[in-house]
Amino acid sequence: DAKTTQPTSMDCAEGRAANLPCNHSTISGNEYVYWYRQIHSQGPQYIIHGLKNNETNEMASLIITEDRKSSTLILPHATLRDTAVYYCIVRVANTGGFKTIFGAGTRLFVKA
Amino acid sequence: DTAVSQTPKYLVTQMGNDKSIKCEQNLGHDTMYWYKQDSKKFLKIMFSYNNKELIINETVPNRFSPKSPDKAHLNLHINSLELGDSAVYFCASSRDGGNTEAFFGQGTRLTVV
Repeated sequence: DAKTTQPTSMDCAEGRAANLPCNHSTISGNEYVYWYRQIHSQGPQYIIHGLKNNETNEMASLIITEDRKSSTLILPHATLRDTAVYYCIVRVANTGGFKTIFGAGTRLFVKA
Repeated sequence: DTAVSQTPKYLVTQMGNDKSIKCEQNLGHDTMYWYKQDSKKFLKIMFSYNNKELIINETVPNRFSPKSPDKAHLNLHINSLELGDSAVYFCASSRDGGNTEAFFGQGTRLTVV
């Protein structure tokens, strides 16, 4: 089972910031938060990940609360091509490696 | 060049048949995965291989048999296909099995009729 909860869907106006929340209240100290997105009919695409510090890359910013129980993915200037399902994931340690368990995700609609 | 490539992209077959889906990655990664995305759009991990060794097997029916001839390839063979096997199957790879990002292929849409 996924260790995260996200809103089912969100809307955002084109050019505005899209803020996607995620709750992961049972996260363990060594578990990272990952974000992926899946544009219709394509494979999931990695966006960003972090442990406890805020992270930024060319695609997005990741803000993790101090208690690490929740995080927010920020797309600073959403475009129509950002319409996708966004998955917040906590990688779960498993014998021999980590498992990336996807939840239902948030369907983001960017509107003109 | 495509980083993670799967073939075929579409596969329609009859119940009871045996079929294979191939996956290749040119990223030099050590770890490869198979995921299944069903009609409800949930992505579920099926298998994970690290350097040709199976490390994750998620209670998948033994009709599904992954094979990794080398660390750049992870193929999925399915015996005695059933209607419920219809789904999109994604292959992925990552540098290792730890905290690194995974790169996904474009998926293989399998339809069993």
